[in-house]
Amino acid sequence: LAKTTQPISMDSYEGQEVNITCSHNNIATNDYITWYQQFPSQGPRFIIQGYKTKVTNEVASLFIPADRKSSTLSLPRVSLSDTAVYYCLVAPPGAGGYNKLIFGAGTRLAVHP
Amino acid sequence: DVKVTQSSRYLVKRTGEKVFLECVQDMDHENMFWYRQDPGLGLRLIYFSYDVKMKEKGDIPEGYSVSREKKERFSLILESASTNQTSMYLCASSAYRIAEAFFGQGTRLTVV
Repeated sequence: LAKTTQPISMDSYEGQEVNITCSHNNIATNDYITWYQQFPSQGPRFIIQGYKTKVTNEVASLFIPADRKSSTLSLPRVSLSDTAVYYCLVAPPGAGGYNKLIFGAGTRLAVHP
Repeated sequence: DVKVTQSSRYLVKRTGEKVFLECVQDMDHENMFWYRQDPGLGLRLIYFSYDVKMKEKGDIPEGYSVSREKKERFSLILESASTNQTSMYLCASSAYRIAEAFFGQGTRLTVV
């Protein structure tokens, strides 16, 4: 299993860009990298997924270097409502990857006024 | 928008009761999941289903069973509820890209 390592917590201020890096040294060739956001007392919410290089959507950007051993979730201009726990997952597509959907401790992001 | 609906937001049951947690998704997804989330332990997979009547055990299946008779519905059953099953239960569904899952709002179950 591709183990992921991410910071336990981060602090930021409103309006700043936040970058959360996840390390996944033994990522497999067919693994995708996925990030989720979770607010208290709610289920996780899918944010973004990528395989290599850069992916951007209306919420975030995901940067993946050529060796794919790490990835960085970038949240532009955060607001107080971005305070949440962010999870990085590494898993292949297809039902065979079900047991690789491991939500670790995540990164607890606190955005301050 | 994909919608995953769990039948109850909060539930209180007595020790020894048989408990049913229901989950329905409206996007014709093949894959459905049941997780539990506890402070300090993160989300742990209980069961996974990749098709009607098909299931796979997750990391902590003991004390639980599941039923998937229709594609849109995935039920988690606590055969005989115990206090250590007090937890937040989360249902999710996904299409082929299994990691692109959509979660329900969760059921906070308290067993007394």
